Formats: sequence, structure tokens, C-alpha cells
Amino acid sequence: QVQLVQSGADVKRPGASVKISCKASGYTFTTYTIHWVRQAPGQRHEWLGKINAGNGDTEFSRKFQGRVSITRDTFATTAYMELSGLTFEDTAVYSCARDFAVAANWFDTWGQGTLVTVSS
Amino acid sequence: ETVLTQSPGTLSLSPGERATLSCRASQAVPDKYLVWYQQKPGQAPSLLIYAISTRATGIPDRFSGSGSGTDFTLTISRLEAEDFAVYYCQQHGNLPWTFGQGTKVEIK
Repeated sequence: QVQLVQSGADVKRPGASVKISCKASGYTFTTYTIHWVRQAPGQRHEWLGKINAGNGDTEFSRKFQGRVSITRDTFATTAYMELSGLTFEDTAVYSCARDFAVAANWFDTWGQGTLVTVSS
Repeated sequence: ETVLTQSPGTLSLSPGERATLSCRASQAVPDKYLVWYQQKPGQAPSLLIYAISTRATGIPDRFSGSGSGTDFTLTISRLEAEDFAVYYCQQHGNLPWTFGQGTKVEIK
């Protein structure tokens, strides 16, 4: 079955960067787009950006542009999201999610989520 | 950005009752670019409905979606025990894609 398995929880200092992985299985990795979404405590979900796993094209929310990088390794069928310049407000659960297609921009499968805590 | 406001925040109902959840957008959502997810405690969200009213694979027909423009509704015709969860709407017509804050459907 289609699965997205993310790397484990992480604790970072303010100003640091965090990189989260999302290992895909159960489908042809390069046929779909992977999105990254986060949910801070008590807040709504926020879309960070996406990567076309086939050609590597990316698109980001303006809010995170310049701070977020999304890459993929087609041989490892894994997508990565790196967020730099962390602040306390970046404490959240970060999730990868598979697009229904290449550019439907809604999500038929989600990863289990990765808690990133920014703490001094 | 398009702000989605869901109401009510919490819906307390009994099994067998009808649930009506609202999702209102701050600007028109183009075409049919509105989806609904269900999330149970400790689980990732799961897709319920896309294109406003199309049920995802395996979703029972007691779930239905409707609406257009700025007002959308998710209806659960007769609540079953497994339906008590949090429901989110998401629009993907205006960048950035945005989500509602969720409606919790709890057992009365």
C-alpha cells in the first residue's frame, strides 16, 4: 500500500536548520508530487511547498520562500524538506503528503508527521 | 491568502444523528478546488472528499459535500461510531493552499 514514512522528532536551537525526510513506498515515486505541510500547536495547517518528484520542479509558499528547500532522491524514493533560520514559532508537526496527481494540489496520503521543537 | 473559517468549532451529536459542517472562504474558491479531510487522534489526516462533492475511494455514501464560491458544507447523514473525529477543509484554488481550523465532531 502507499506509505510515506518520515524521520523522527527533532529539537533545534533558534537560528538552526532542520531537515526532514519522507520515504515513499507502494507506488511509482516519480509519478506524483510531494507536498510539505505543518501544524503548530493550536494553529491550523500551513502549506510550505511542493516538489514534482519526476522533474524536481518546486513551488513554495511566499511566507516560507527563501527559508525552505525541498529536494528529492529518486533512487531512494525519498523527499526532503529543510527549513532554515528557525524561530520558536517554527515549533510544529511537519508532514509530507502525496498529491493526488502531479498538480492536483490536494493530498491522498500523508506521512505520520515529524515534531520539530525549537528551544533554547 | 484565502482564509477558511470552519463552524462550529465543536459539534456534539449522538450516533445516528446528522452532522452539518460549514467551511466559509474569505474569497471565492475557483472551480471546484475544495477538499475535506478527516483526522482521528494519533493518526494522519485522511482524504474524504475532493472537488467539493466527490467521495474518495472507499468513503461511504453517508458523507456528502456541497457548496460553491465561498460557502461549502460537509454532511454526514447518520453518524456512526467511527465518524467521531476532526474534519478539515482545504482549498487549492488560490495560492497558498490553505486549511480551515477544523471542526471536532464528538459524541454527545
